[in-house]
Amino acid sequence: DTEVTQTPKHLVMGMTNKKSLKCEQHMGHRAMYWYKQKAKKPPELMFVYSYEKLSINESVPSRFSPECPNSSLLNLHLHALQPEDSALYLCASSQDPYSNQPQHFGDGTRLSIL
Amino acid sequence: AQTVTQSQPEMSVQEAETVTLSCTYDTSESDYYLFWYKQPPSRQMILVIRQEAYKQQNATENRFSVNFQKAAKSFSLKISDSQLGDAAMYFCAVPTGNQFYFGTGTSLTVIP
Repeated sequence: DTEVTQTPKHLVMGMTNKKSLKCEQHMGHRAMYWYKQKAKKPPELMFVYSYEKLSINESVPSRFSPECPNSSLLNLHLHALQPEDSALYLCASSQDPYSNQPQHFGDGTRLSIL
Repeated sequence: AQTVTQSQPEMSVQEAETVTLSCTYDTSESDYYLFWYKQPPSRQMILVIRQEAYKQQNATENRFSVNFQKAAKSFSLKISDSQLGDAAMYFCAVPTGNQFYFGTGTSLTVIP
């Protein structure tokens, strides 16, 4: 069983839609991450939240908007996405951002843009 | 930025045999950790094994073990008695600050 829960598991949306991806963890971790992953490629870091504050934004287009409402929740708001944004979106958490502790991953959301 | 290199895009192993996946990295850190993750078709990234760089002893977790050569910055993963469930993408990862740097991955096929 995964300790990081992501919903939905699959999402199909048009380029004009607005949707959100949700990630939740109850391990008391204070760092949370969003990654984008294409098939057979490593995860690409998008955003890092440290103690509920955005600490890294890896030059991600503004059509992706992260939000961390509290220490257990992480959202990724999507708007006006492009077909090339179709990918697996992974959420991860770690004990704290600088501890060299492993990251724990969710199952991901498979996103398809029509 | 860190560089993490996995030179074997694809590997195959006969069931019950042993296979070694290679990983080399570059870091300016003096004290760091190294990780191997497995990603089966079910998608979840699963931590396989962790090595602390300041420890001389190679990490072992059941059938999985590491050959860590600090001077050479090499961190290979050995899978013994391979099972069908070991078929997956394997990524090595090196954390720096609050980021993980992943290698390009090795796709492992297990042949029955």
